[in-house]
Amino acid sequence: ETGVTQTPRHLVMGMTNKKSLKCEQHLGHNAMYWYKQSAKKPLELMFVYSLEERVENNSVPSRFSPECPNSSHLFLHLHTLQPEDSALYLCASSQGVDVFYEQYFGPGTRLTVT
Amino acid sequence: GESVGLHLPTLSVQEGDNSIINCAYSNSASDYFIWYKQESGKGPQFIIDIRSNMDKRQGQRVTVLLNKTVKHLSLQIAATQPGDSAVYFCAETYTGGGNKLTFGTGTQLKVEL
Repeated sequence: ETGVTQTPRHLVMGMTNKKSLKCEQHLGHNAMYWYKQSAKKPLELMFVYSLEERVENNSVPSRFSPECPNSSHLFLHLHTLQPEDSALYLCASSQGVDVFYEQYFGPGTRLTVT
Repeated sequence: GESVGLHLPTLSVQEGDNSIINCAYSNSASDYFIWYKQESGKGPQFIIDIRSNMDKRQGQRVTVLLNKTVKHLSLQIAATQPGDSAVYFCAETYTGGGNKLTFGTGTQLKVEL
């Protein structure tokens, strides 16, 4: 595997379910990100991790819980979501947390909350 | 609040023609801009970037123009090919902003054969 991978690619869950999204980067990067991409809206940054420490939390509801066990893996734990949380969730990584490091994106997980 | 937006939601061009995708930004402190390409079913992919000390930068078949006076950014694609069909969006940030990018909503580029 190369680049940034995300699983699952598609997920349908009920509002009372608990699920997790997984991201893995094979680039040796130190920073990882979660973004939300809703239809006809700009990408929204959710969380940023640098060397497994959370450095950014953009006022995201507590029903989204990130976890970064090591610099290669990032999880997004989901519980009691709302239908408006349906979106494409993108993971990205970069060499470091600095504006000039290029971010590499995974293909995303298409989440539908019913 | 500050925003980054695109002038046209959809752009259709003939194969072989040049494409121009525009972007307006409102944060006067922004000094670094990026264009991304997002194909269907894929994540965004970096195309080209430009810093505010430049007004033009060229890559392979792509050129980015920056007009700081009117806070306008454009992406020009030469000899557009079917493989260029995608959503293109700009992003901006500023020195000291960490790695927080503000993204535009995107323009769908459709290449007609």
